[in-house]
Amino acid sequence: LAKTTQPISMDSYEGQEVNITCSHNNIATNDYITWYQQFPSQGPRFIIQGYKTKVTNEVASLFIPADRKSSTLSLPRVSLSDTAVYYCLVGPQAGANNLFFGTGTRLTVIP
Amino acid sequence: GAVVSQHPSWVICKSGTSVKIECRSLDFQATTMFWYRQFPKQSLMLMATSNEGSKATYEQGVEKDKFLINHASLTLSTLTVTSAHPEDSSFYICSAVQGYNEQFFGPGTRLTVL
Repeated sequence: LAKTTQPISMDSYEGQEVNITCSHNNIATNDYITWYQQFPSQGPRFIIQGYKTKVTNEVASLFIPADRKSSTLSLPRVSLSDTAVYYCLVGPQAGANNLFFGTGTRLTVIP
Repeated sequence: GAVVSQHPSWVICKSGTSVKIECRSLDFQATTMFWYRQFPKQSLMLMATSNEGSKATYEQGVEKDKFLINHASLTLSTLTVTSAHPEDSSFYICSAVQGYNEQFFGPGTRLTVL
């Protein structure tokens, strides 16, 4: 499974757009990029998954450049409730495969 | 979406006792479930892969005789921490796989060993 590197922490004011970038230089051809969100004392929650270019859902957007060696999770207009740890994972489509979580990015949204 | 539950949500026990944690997929069948452990301010660490009807596969460094995993049905996997010690105090999280799509995580169980 490809190793990922993310910033340890980020701060943002309410209402701003937050972009969290993840590096995954050794991504394999059949690997997908998946982002999870985790609040304290809760299990991770799936946010978004993509393979290439751009994916958007009601919660976030995921931008993946052509070389797929990095990806950026974009959270539009964050609120205090978006304060959480965000994990970037890379591997075969997250089904029957175990997931290896990196350090994650601790996002703190400031009023 | 699919729902995974864990029971209990928290447990406090004395050192030397055993604790069982249940993981259930409520509205789908899961042939594979995973168990993770998370210490404070750290990331999730995979402990083992649980397949229905077969023995669990443990990650390196995880003692299979200490962390007993049973996946007796397609909707239930249990993790038993045997002879628990204070260093086993942690947040235990399970996940269940539906088909070949995303994993669904349980809410976690906080274990405190006195």
